Amino acid sequence: QKEVEQNSGPLSVPEGAIASLNCTYSDRVSQSFFWYRQYSGKSPELIMSIYSNGDKEDGRFTAQLNKASQYVSLLIRDSQPSDSATYLCAVNKAAGNKLTFGGGTRVLVKP
Amino acid sequence: GAGVSQSPRYKVAKRGQDVALRCDPISGHVSLFWYQQALGQGPEFLTYFQNEAQLDKSGLPSDRFFAERPEGSVSTLKIQRTQQEDSAVYLCASSLYQGTFNTEAFFGQGTRLTVV
Repeated sequence: QKEVEQNSGPLSVPEGAIASLNCTYSDRVSQSFFWYRQYSGKSPELIMSIYSNGDKEDGRFTAQLNKASQYVSLLIRDSQPSDSATYLCAVNKAAGNKLTFGGGTRVLVKP
Repeated sequence: GAGVSQSPRYKVAKRGQDVALRCDPISGHVSLFWYQQALGQGPEFLTYFQNEAQLDKSGLPSDRFFAERPEGSVSTLKIQRTQQEDSAVYLCASSLYQGTFNTEAFFGQGTRLTVV
């Protein structure tokens, strides 16, 4: 079992709809959770961080964390074609520790 | 600089050649990470520095890979006797390291290494 698991997709979403991305992790002591967006040929760009159970909203993005279920998700509201990218879930155990990444979910937003 | 800077952006090496990849982190960032990303995969951890100390090198795939950060700022990843399987994008990231929170890591543009 991989430490961080994501569905590889592609997740096809109509423009204006909500894209829902899921990520599960295996290490219960994980403390920090991140979502990165990666456009083809580019490096990962941090879009959300979450540390506590519950929801965290930033613009059109909402991250949800459930430590009991070892589950973190990302919702993208009002999806735009520019949101088409691979979304990487990353987890670390403590400050300064390595980030462990999932394989990424490819999202395609169709006009 | 404002962000993490990596050089070169692209490197073509003949099999057996040694290469050196450079990373200049965000000023003041204590933590520095190297990752390897194969096409269509997520980044895979190689090694981690806290200041000049290499605290974790568990991800280095072989003893041909070596990383250093002698003054706690710029880091170099060296690959000796490159093999075709070393072809990948090498990503560097840095983090401020401020307790449990504010551990966000920011990536450089990466170095795309192609071994021919």
